[in-house]
Formats: sequence, structure tokens, C-alpha cells
Amino acid sequence: AQSVAQPEDQVNVAEGNPLTVKCTYSVSGNPYLFWYVQYPNRGLQFLLKYITGDNLVKGSYGFEAEFNKSQTSFHLKKPSALVSDSALYFCAVRDRGSTLGRLYFGRGTQLTVWP
Amino acid sequence: DAGVTQSPTHLIKTRGQQVTLRCSPKSGHDTVSWYQQALGQGPQFIFQYYEEEERQRGNFPDRFSGHQFPNYSSELNVNALLLGDSALYLCASSLVDRGLDYTFGSGTRLTVV
Repeated sequence: AQSVAQPEDQVNVAEGNPLTVKCTYSVSGNPYLFWYVQYPNRGLQFLLKYITGDNLVKGSYGFEAEFNKSQTSFHLKKPSALVSDSALYFCAVRDRGSTLGRLYFGRGTQLTVWP
Repeated sequence: DAGVTQSPTHLIKTRGQQVTLRCSPKSGHDTVSWYQQALGQGPQFIFQYYEEEERQRGNFPDRFSGHQFPNYSSELNVNALLLGDSALYLCASSLVDRGLDYTFGSGTRLTVV
């Protein structure tokens, strides 16, 4: 069964500092990997995805993620955090077996960036 | 270009009642998936519709049913509501030939009392 783990319920960083939100996965095969962000009372907004190729994926709003196959991880990173980055972040995976794939989500990590 | 539209935004129902949630996909998309996001949890897949048929289903009871219309819009129906059905219900649309680009709606917040 596919599963996604986000080991930290909360991450707190100071504005201007680098941030990392962790994600590990347990899936069969080589999945597609995603990061989404959710602001209060809103749906999910796409940040970035890994399909193949370069292990460092660049996404929206200055975010990037590093795919590590041996550690089955896909950590989200940003070199300099902004207060406006404060939100709930979800890691998700999808298998490659079908064109009608479903997403499996982690429980989410609440990021708080203080001024 | 309109994104995914869900209605209503909020809903309060009584245990045992039935509810219908609606989703209009992003223009050009042909596939609709529904997710349930309980408080403090990540979204859980309910089911997916393509060509007006349910293509995949998550671990949800038969009380949860759906429909997709010829214009690709979709409905999620939940019968015999339980308190545990209280959640944010998210609709995601995509195009089958580009299945990695999911667009989510803002969701319907269902409260069962």
C-alpha cells in the first residue's frame, strides 16, 4: 500500500532563515511526488512535482524539493522564509501505473514563519 | 480561466440526513476526483470519475456515491450522515492525458450535528 509520512506536525522558523519540511514515502515502484500548500479555509495549491530527471525540483514561490530515491524522501525547502509562507503543507504521491492515478497525502505540516 | 468551482461552501446537516455536493471542473479538464479532509488530517481519496463512470474508489462505504455529467461536472452524495462525516470535501479536476496536473477547488465544509 502507498503511504506518505510527514514526521513533523509543526515547523517554526524565523523570517529570512531557510526552511525544510520533511516527507518520506513508502510505495511500490517509482512514484510521482507532489507538494501542495493550503491556506486557511482554502483548497490545495500546487507547489511542485517530481516526474523524472534532476533530483532537485524548482517550484512556485521560491520553493524547491529534493528527491532522494535511496532514502525515499522528498523534502521541501526554501532558502529564505517569508511570513506569508505560513500555511499547511502536504506531500503527496501517485503511482505511475495508470493515467487515472489517485493521490495519497501525508497528514500535513503546519509551517509558521515568525517576523 | 475559471478554476474548480465547488458548491456550497458551507453546509450544516443533521445525522441521518442526505447531502449533495457539487463540483465544476477547470475548463478543459475531463476527470474529477473527490477527497475528504477531516480536521487535522490529510485529504483521503473517495473516488474518481472519468467518462461519466466511477474509475477508482478509496476505502469509503457505499453511503458515498457520485455522478459525473456530460459536461464533466460532478456530484458527491452522502446518505445517512454520521457525525464522523464532518470534514472539508475537496474536488480535484485533471485531464486524463495530462494526469499529473491537478487543480483543486476551495472545498465544501460539511458539518454534521
